[in-house]
Amino acid sequence: DQQVKQNSPSLSVQEGRISILNCDYTNSMFDYFLWYKKYPAEGPTFLISISSIKDKNEDGRFTVFLNKSAKHLSLHIVPSQPGDSAVYFCAASAKGDYKLSFGAGTTVTVRA
Amino acid sequence: NAGVMQNPRHLVRRRGQEARLRCSPVKGHSHVYWYRQLPEEGLKFMVYLQKENIIDESGMPKERFSAEFPKEGPSILRIQQVVRGDSAAYFCASSPFDSFTNYGYTFGSGTRLTVV
Repeated sequence: DQQVKQNSPSLSVQEGRISILNCDYTNSMFDYFLWYKKYPAEGPTFLISISSIKDKNEDGRFTVFLNKSAKHLSLHIVPSQPGDSAVYFCAASAKGDYKLSFGAGTTVTVRA
Repeated sequence: NAGVMQNPRHLVRRRGQEARLRCSPVKGHSHVYWYRQLPEEGLKFMVYLQKENIIDESGMPKERFSAEFPKEGPSILRIQQVVRGDSAAYFCASSPFDSFTNYGYTFGSGTRLTVV
């Protein structure tokens, strides 16, 4: 049962433009959401997170938006840079739980 | 570097052999988590351990898989009598607490198991 879904397996964007990655979830108990970035042959690296009490969290070029009513979150990267080319995973957790549920990932390619 | 160290990075086993995957958490972290990533899928939780204790193994197959985190030494994920379907990337993560901090877990680089 896939509780976190990333419906776009890939995204290609030109350098300097905005990258928008989407994520949907089905479990209404989820209250903490994270984005991880992963390069080939490496482990996932934490990027940014958001608690369900917020609808936006910003960290430099990265902003995560949460729409609880739609059970949807998105990651915006502005401006996109070649080093952003990676797989991005959306993950979620229920309050007090230590387990993360991951989406299948979106591969971002930033074109020069 | 005080990150999570996993070895080996790549492991090839023939069907029926045993696979042993090792994970040394970040120094000072006493909570270890194992996740598995099958091809074209996201990471899936397998097991959560603290020193000398298995806290939650609900994501681990009931047969052939076991995990431990001894008082001394790394955490070990053991797969007996491997089958082709065990081919995957196995990631270990650690944290200083039993819940998230603002930066989530620290993941290792993974062990890529190939069963031939």
